[in-house]
Amino acid sequence: AQSVTQLDSQVPVFEEAPVELRCNYSSSVSVYLFWYVQYPNQGLQLLLKYLSGSTLVKGINGFEAEFNKSQTSFHLRKPSVHISDTAEYFCAVSSKAAGNKLTFGGGTRVLVKP
Amino acid sequence: EAGVTQFPSHSVIEKGQTVTLRCDPISGHDNLYWYRRVMGKEIKFLLHFVKESKQDESGMPNNRFLAERTGGTYSTLKVQPAELEDSGVYFCASSQRQVPGLGHEQFFGPGTRLTVL
Repeated sequence: AQSVTQLDSQVPVFEEAPVELRCNYSSSVSVYLFWYVQYPNQGLQLLLKYLSGSTLVKGINGFEAEFNKSQTSFHLRKPSVHISDTAEYFCAVSSKAAGNKLTFGGGTRVLVKP
Repeated sequence: EAGVTQFPSHSVIEKGQTVTLRCDPISGHDNLYWYRRVMGKEIKFLLHFVKESKQDESGMPNNRFLAERTGGTYSTLKVQPAELEDSGVYFCASSQRQVPGLGHEQFFGPGTRLTVL
């Protein structure tokens, strides 16, 4: 079985400040890792993914994440946020063993304040 | 290229009624997934089709839920009879056949918000 924990349900942050969203996972097999974003009134959009290779992954809109196998973490970072980054962010894992279905964390709401 | 589409975007029904949700995946995507997010909870997997076959339906809550994928194209998810706890947002996602290095990325639709009164 696999599980995902997003440690912060809400993160308020000022515009142009950095943000880090924490994600920890648990799995007995090798996993693939994803971050999705849901903007207000829209569907889920993939920000970035880790399948293999370099542990530092760069995604869209200036986001990046680092896979840390020893700490079973996949934290998401952005050095300087914009008002438009206000959204809900979801960390997810999948594995071949689980048929590539996604297991999601509970989500982190990011509110960027001017 | 059109993305994943879902219909309707919203549905409000009374307890005991029947509702059918539809998902049109990206053309050529063999894999189709249904997920659900109940208010205040995480997004949870419901089932997975590969073409027209159910690959995994371990997440389906009970036998009031019936999913089909006619001819391996669009999919429907029917809830009959609906209960209050079925309220939530139902997401559909699709992905290509698994080819090494090409992804495992699932593309999501905008979701159907179901409210059962």
